[in-house]
Amino acid sequence: TQLLEQSPQFLSIQEGENLTVYCNSSSVFSSLQWYRQEPGEGPVLLVTVVTGGEVKKLKRLTFQFGDARKDSSLHITAAQPGDTGLYLCAGPHTGNQFYFGTGTSLTVIP
Amino acid sequence: GAGVSQSPSNKVTEKGKDVELRCDPISGHTALYWYRQSLGQGLEFLIYFQGNSAPDKSGLPSDRFSAERTGGSVSTLTIQRTQQEDSAVYLCASSPIIHEQFFGPGTRLTVL
Repeated sequence: TQLLEQSPQFLSIQEGENLTVYCNSSSVFSSLQWYRQEPGEGPVLLVTVVTGGEVKKLKRLTFQFGDARKDSSLHITAAQPGDTGLYLCAGPHTGNQFYFGTGTSLTVIP
Repeated sequence: GAGVSQSPSNKVTEKGKDVELRCDPISGHTALYWYRQSLGQGLEFLIYFQGNSAPDKSGLPSDRFSAERTGGSVSTLTIQRTQQEDSAVYLCASSPIIHEQFFGPGTRLTVL
């Protein structure tokens, strides 16, 4: 059983469409992070959300942390081919362990 | 400045052989993490180093896996008697403050 479940697992959309990726857990997290990973590279941190209900915007990307701090979402407006990649949510849990979600593979078709 | 580097970028080995994977973190980063990633999947935590404290080894999957960090800088992940299920990308990340991780490009390990 994964501590952080992401949905959908795969997403293929046309350029210009909007999309939302979800990250859910039955556990409370003190913070959650979102990363994007491109083939052959390590994940790159996009954002950290800390407060329940927090909303952060990064250009066309909007991140939200659930009120109960058990879930988060990533919304992309007007997706572009450069948004293609593997999106991962992650957060600290017990001790020093850092848990990553199951991942959402996004393909934006020109 | 230079990012996290890992070597080798690719490693092909035969079942039963030992392998060493190296990570050079960003200078000044006190924390270092190792993860394993299977094809297209999320990351599996392996081990965490913080300064001179004892490492958190709770994610290591078996006693064939070990890691050390010399002088608070370079880290080596060693896998003894490799098995085919060890095939994966091994990622290293360093962090200047808690949880803000900067990743290297990874080492792709293939065990034949």
